[in-house]
Amino acid sequence: SQKIEQNSEALNIQEGKTATLTCNYTNYSPAYLQWYRQDPGRGPVFLLLIRENEKEKRKERLKVTFDTTLKQSLFHITASQPADSATYLCALDDGSARQLTFGSGTQLTVLP
Amino acid sequence: KAGVTQTPRYLIKTRGQQVTLSCSPISGHRSVSWYQQTPGQGLQFLFEYFSETQRNKGNFPGRFSGRQFSNSRSEMNVSTLELGDSALYLCASSSRDRNYNEQFFGPGTRLTVL
Repeated sequence: SQKIEQNSEALNIQEGKTATLTCNYTNYSPAYLQWYRQDPGRGPVFLLLIRENEKEKRKERLKVTFDTTLKQSLFHITASQPADSATYLCALDDGSARQLTFGSGTQLTVLP
Repeated sequence: KAGVTQTPRYLIKTRGQQVTLSCSPISGHRSVSWYQQTPGQGLQFLFEYFSETQRNKGNFPGRFSGRQFSNSRSEMNVSTLELGDSALYLCASSSRDRNYNEQFFGPGTRLTVL
């Protein structure tokens, strides 16, 4: 069965450092991989999408890589700020536009 | 555009009761998906509707059902509530003018079953 693992349940880093979150998957061949941010008590918010034929995608301080050989995506937040503290979810999309499969999320805390 | 709205935001029910949750997608979005989020299981896909048709269904018992109306608004129903149904129920809409499925989530309905 499909399995998605995000590196750790919680990650604490110092303000200004780069946060790196990992998403690994098995038994799946996603056409796209998406990253979402979720704040407590709120729905997830879409951040970035990367296609299977793309190696890297950037948006402001965010960078996503996608390695279909390793079946892994890395999500980086550079120059992190306390406002970046949230839970980050990766989601796999098979391209059918019918269903996303989410990982369990990584709770990031950026310490001032 | 207004975002995805869900009503009610909070709900308390007792075991055995049934509940109906409502979702209004972003204007123009014809695909509506429902997810259940719990601390133990994370975000789990319930079902997806497009143009009033259920196109995909997750691994949930038949007590969970849904429907979509001609204006794309959607409802989900849970019958014979169990304690384990306590969760945040999230609705998400997406546009079909793209071949990927970026989803816009509502704030969710927090259901507590006593």
